[in-house]
Amino acid sequence: SYVLTQPPSVSVAPGQTARITCGGDNIGAKGVHWYLQRPGQAPVLVISYNTDRPSGIPERFSGSNSGNTATLTITRVEAGDEADYYCHVWDGNSEHSVFGSGTKVTVL
Amino acid sequence: EVQLVESGGGLIQRGGSLRLSCAASGFTFGHHSMNWVRQVPGQGLEWVSYISGSGTTIYYADSVKGRFTISRDNAKASLHLQLTGLRDEDTAVYYCARRPLSSSSFDYWGQGTLVIVSS
Repeated sequence: SYVLTQPPSVSVAPGQTARITCGGDNIGAKGVHWYLQRPGQAPVLVISYNTDRPSGIPERFSGSNSGNTATLTITRVEAGDEADYYCHVWDGNSEHSVFGSGTKVTVL
Repeated sequence: EVQLVESGGGLIQRGGSLRLSCAASGFTFGHHSMNWVRQVPGQGLEWVSYISGSGTTIYYADSVKGRFTISRDNAKASLHLQLTGLRDEDTAVYYCARRPLSSSSFDYWGQGTLVIVSS
């Protein structure tokens, strides 16, 4: 089955840029979605299909996807961005949705 | 306003059965495919099952296939997950999640219902 690999953690100072990667075999050919999840809350969609921001998501959140790596970028990081972040794809071969293992973003 | 409210979780013995429900409101339920996603406390998200808007197409994760059954009642705007043969590793918060039209993302999630499988 398709596997998505994320780093367990990323630390970033306020005002700096956080980059969260999601690795997968030829993931550039897939549409990657990103979610943030704060403690005790449900996930929230922040990027769909690699680069699309849903209504209400700040422009500080952006995405890219090429080759074997998709990336979620958060610019001008704020304390409120501290959360777990998950990448997600639909794998048509297996007809399964697949989530990455998640990355904990810590704002220093 | 789109709302998804799960119910039916609780403490259940290993090998037992449970039926989870998700009540939807604020959108035309039958137009949207729906999913169940679970999360072991302190761990990551795991997709469980998908059902199309009409209910005719269904997929399951390998870990639950043959034990869990997804269904929906469009007239009542409700989604269900029947859990049978429960195992310790099925202990998790179960979320229902909506797919937007023509998308594979999950744009709305419920707050989840906790299932604890006890020996």
